[in-house]
Amino acid sequence: RKEVEQDPGPFNVPEGATVAFNCTYSNSASQSFFWYRQDCRKEPKLLMSVYSSGNEDGRFTAQLNRASQYISLLIRDSKLSDSATYLCVVSGGGADGLTFGKGTHLIIQP
Amino acid sequence: GAGVSQSPSNKVTEKGKDVELRCDPISGHTALYWYRQSLGQGLEFLIYFQGNSAPDKSGLPSDRFSAERTGGSVSTLTIQRTQQEDSAVYLCASSLGPATNEKLFFGSGTQLSVL
Repeated sequence: RKEVEQDPGPFNVPEGATVAFNCTYSNSASQSFFWYRQDCRKEPKLLMSVYSSGNEDGRFTAQLNRASQYISLLIRDSKLSDSATYLCVVSGGGADGLTFGKGTHLIIQP
Repeated sequence: GAGVSQSPSNKVTEKGKDVELRCDPISGHTALYWYRQSLGQGLEFLIYFQGNSAPDKSGLPSDRFSAERTGGSVSTLTIQRTQQEDSAVYLCASSLGPATNEKLFFGSGTQLSVL
């Protein structure tokens, strides 16, 4: 069974700090990678795709390490509104194509 | 509305009853997914519809679960003879094409509680 593993946290981080967390995946044939964000009692929403060369969107940077089979998410200058659960999503096998991690819970403290 | 719509938002039922959950995907989206999320857990894949292809039912946990998608649009997830372990949030998502390439848009879910 394909696995996507994440540290569930919670990560308690002061506002303005930089925080990073990783996600490991077991299927070396995986091709597409994403980070989704899920607020408490809300549906997941796409935060960003993860490209082989790494990509940045404002305060968020995502990177892929194929050799070690992990992806990472870095959040700079964290805001209170960044508090959420961050879901790692990997594709590359199976008809559904996507495997969701259980998420990393991030709490930004004032 | 422009998003994925699910109904009802909350459903409380008694053990042994049947329930139907509805999903209206975004117009034009060919792919439709059902997921289940228990409290504090990740998303569990249930079933996937892509266009007119046969659905991938590999995630359905038992034969009490079934789903259909009529006219390539609205989907209904049916759970027969509900059990307490079926209590969860049932999330529907759609995308323009296969979600490996396209962004998934989720509905706000149906919170199912089986007493």
